[in-house]
Amino acid sequence: DSGVTQTPKHLITATGQRVTLRCSPRSGDLSVYWYQQSLDQGLQFLIQYYNGEERAKGNILERFSAQQFPDLHSELNLSSLELGDSALYFCASSVDGQAHTEAFFGQGTRLTVV
Amino acid sequence: LAKTTQPISMDSYEGQEVNITCSHNNIATNDYITWYQQFPSQGPRFIIQGYKTKVTNEVASLFIPADRKSSTLSLPRVSLSDTAVYYCLAKAAGNKLTFGGGTRVLVKP
Repeated sequence: DSGVTQTPKHLITATGQRVTLRCSPRSGDLSVYWYQQSLDQGLQFLIQYYNGEERAKGNILERFSAQQFPDLHSELNLSSLELGDSALYFCASSVDGQAHTEAFFGQGTRLTVV
Repeated sequence: LAKTTQPISMDSYEGQEVNITCSHNNIATNDYITWYQQFPSQGPRFIIQGYKTKVTNEVASLFIPADRKSSTLSLPRVSLSDTAVYYCLAKAAGNKLTFGGGTRVLVKP
C-alpha cells in the first residue's frame, strides 16, 4: 500500500458527461501529480500541484482541470467526455515538488466512457 | 519536451542480469532520471533514481553516462516476480515529466 488513495476505483459514464476523480496523498506529502495511462499513449503526465498551487502542466486537455485543496487532497475534473478519454488515471504524491523526490502512486481510477 | 525512448520488450531467465536502456534527449540539466516498475492493474512503483554516474540500491543499479542522454537500469539476478513493465522518467524544462513507453520484461524459469 503506497498510502495514496484514489476514488472511485472504477467509473463508467457516457460521452458528453463530466466526472470528478479524487486523490488523497500520503500523509505529509505536499505535491500531487496526475497521470493518464492508455493502451495507445502509455503514461502521460497531466498536471502537478504543490501545496495548493499549480507547479507544472503536461499534456492536459482544456476539457480537463484539476485543483489541490487546503487539506492537500486533489481532484481531477474531466468534462465533455469522449470515448478516447477511457483510460486509467493515476495520482501520485511526493513530499515536495523537487526532481529528486520519490513519488508514490495510487491504484488508479479506471474510467470507461461509453 | 524531453523525449524518452526505451525498448518495447525483453525476455530473460531467472538468475540472469537484465539491462534496460532509456534514451532521453533535452533533459533538464539539473534533473534526475527515475525508473519505475509496474505490475498489471497497479500503479507504478519507484525503483531507483540518479543524476549522474552510478547509483545502486537493494534492488537495482542505474548507470548514467556523462552526457546524460541515456540511462541504463540494471536488475541483477532477476526472478519470476520481476516480470513487469519498467518505465524511465525524465523531466524537461518547465517541470514537464515524460515517461518512456515502457519495457515489458518477461522472466522465464
